[in-house]
Amino acid sequence: DTVMTQSPDSLAVSLGERATINCKSSQSVLYSSNNKNYLAWYQQKPGQPPKLLIYWASTRESGVPDRFSGSGSGTDFTLTISSLQAEDVAVYYCQQYYTTPHTFGQGTQLEIK
Amino acid sequence: QEQLVQSGAEVRKPGASVDVSCKAIGYTFSSYYLHWVRQAPGQGLEWMGIINPSGGATTYAQKFQGRLTMTRDASTTTVYMVLSSLRSEDTAVYYCARSTGSPGAFDIWGQGTKVAVSS
Repeated sequence: DTVMTQSPDSLAVSLGERATINCKSSQSVLYSSNNKNYLAWYQQKPGQPPKLLIYWASTRESGVPDRFSGSGSGTDFTLTISSLQAEDVAVYYCQQYYTTPHTFGQGTQLEIK
Repeated sequence: QEQLVQSGAEVRKPGASVDVSCKAIGYTFSSYYLHWVRQAPGQGLEWMGIINPSGGATTYAQKFQGRLTMTRDASTTTVYMVLSSLRSEDTAVYYCARSTGSPGAFDIWGQGTKVAVSS
């Protein structure tokens, strides 16, 4: 199985500041035939299902604010929130969908400092 | 509005089975794959398996082989997940989620179904 490892496990950032979450996969999730990274980012708030933020490592889902961005390729990926808002407090997960099982990272809890 | 609506909470004893349904509303049922993902209390997300609503082909995570069955009913646009031989570690919220392809990211999620396993 592909193991997804996020860092840090928790993060406290001041309002308006940048938040950065990292995700590393144990195997490459880049498919050479189409040059796409099979990597997604989700946001989960308490009592709610996860919400898709980013897919193909860097494509923002419709309706997601542009302060959210994804980058990286191969095995190393980053989710960046450019200017943290109060409503961004949540747990963030990366996920690879390159191969089954479609494994998730352990999650990163983002809080306000 | 495109959505997935799941059945209600369940309580089971160890060794029993549970079935959870997920009804697809507002989109073409056969055009999207459906996955099951679970989340134990205070824990992360665990992918369980996928079903192709067009034809019913399934792939399960090895961890659940022999205990997990996914089926679909195209006439009611509903997929079902049955987990058998339940143990306390199966206590979790179970989500269905849609992907635009196989593979694909999960763009729509059900509201979740809480399953508690307790003697």
